[in-house]
Order: sequence, then C-alpha cells, then structure tokens
Amino acid sequence: EAGVTQSPTHLIKTRGQQVTLRCSPISGHTSVYWYQQALGLGLQFLLWYDEGEERNRGNFPPRFSGRQFPNYSSELNVNALELEDSALYLCASSSDSGIVGELFFGEGSRLTVL
Amino acid sequence: KNEVEQSPQNLTAQEGEFITINCSYSVGISALHWLQQHPGGGIVSLFMLSSGKKKHGRLIATINIQEKHSSLHITASHPRDSAVYICAVVGGSNYKLTFGKGTLLTVNP
Repeated sequence: EAGVTQSPTHLIKTRGQQVTLRCSPISGHTSVYWYQQALGLGLQFLLWYDEGEERNRGNFPPRFSGRQFPNYSSELNVNALELEDSALYLCASSSDSGIVGELFFGEGSRLTVL
Repeated sequence: KNEVEQSPQNLTAQEGEFITINCSYSVGISALHWLQQHPGGGIVSLFMLSSGKKKHGRLIATINIQEKHSSLHITASHPRDSAVYICAVVGGSNYKLTFGKGTLLTVNP
C-alpha cells in the first residue's frame, strides 16, 4: 500500500512568487494535515483538512491556504513568498479525524525562497 | 515558555546503552505522539498514547497525565536509532499538534 506522497520534493522560488505543494494521503484516510519545519524553529501546525473542509489552522498569515479534493488529496498554496517561508513542508494523513489516531507522514517538500 | 519542552536537546550514547528522552507539557491534552525524524526529513510516528505505557520492540513510551510528562525509552540502543525524536501533543478541542523542538540522538558504535 502506498504511503503518503508529496510533490515536488524540492523546489526553489524567488520572493514574491507563489507556490503550490501537493499531498496524496494513504488510501482511505480522510484527514490531511500540513506542517512547516523551518530551520531552528521545529515543526509547526499549518492546516487541517477533513472531508473536504478546513477544520483548523495554525498561526500563519492568510497567504498560506489550501484545499482538499473529493479524493482527499490536498494542496497547500503559499502566495507572495517571503525568505522566511524557506522550510520543509510536511503532510500527514490519518484515518481518525482529530489526530487521536496514528499519523502517517510524507517525505516532505523542501522549499527554498531566494 | 514553549508549551512542550523536551530534554535533553542533544544526546550521545554508545551502542547498547539505555536511552531516555523526556517530554513535559503545560496544557491539557487528549493524546501525545512520539515521532522519529531521520536526516533528510522523513518522519515516522512511533507511538500515540493517552495513558499508561506502550511498547514496540526496543522502544517503550510512557505517559503520566497528572504530572503532564511522557518519556521515550530505547533499550539496547543501536547506531540506526540515531535520529531526531519529537514529542507532540494534541491539545484540548483544537485538534492541532503542538511540537517539542526535538532531541537529537546520536548512537556511536
């Protein structure tokens, strides 16, 4: 069974540009979570989608947004990129809404903003 | 003060040693996760627990809800255990994870 897959694995953008990151959860998982891991800051919760709806978001500005599709895959969009957006963006999925079940993580998308 | 504190930040051990990593949190939680992150970024969920103790192979995780504390133990440590170990808590009704800063474990042969 395929695990959580993310694309692209690496990308380089310049300030002001926009980026879209993609995540496919494990088959049957309806919840998708996005996290940011910036250098020196540790993992931070970004967004939680379940059954196609945004359920919760972390302390990030509105230029971080996303959506979940009917097949439960998800996109994370970041507009007007800033240098501090350089980070590893991790996606996780769970079959249990509310993160009280086991989480399965993807390998991440490493974004560099120049 | 971070809501989730891990100690130590860095830990170096010799192969075969017993390892303990601690996690303390200051908020009410519904569950706690222990995660392992290898160089390159991939994260694996080791345990999810809300009470008591869980064991998987050489790994043992315990949690004391009253004391707001959890520990991850590794018995007979091995160089392949070298990784960053991260504690994360599921807080209240928000269902969002709050992460500790991680413990970098290096096990030397």
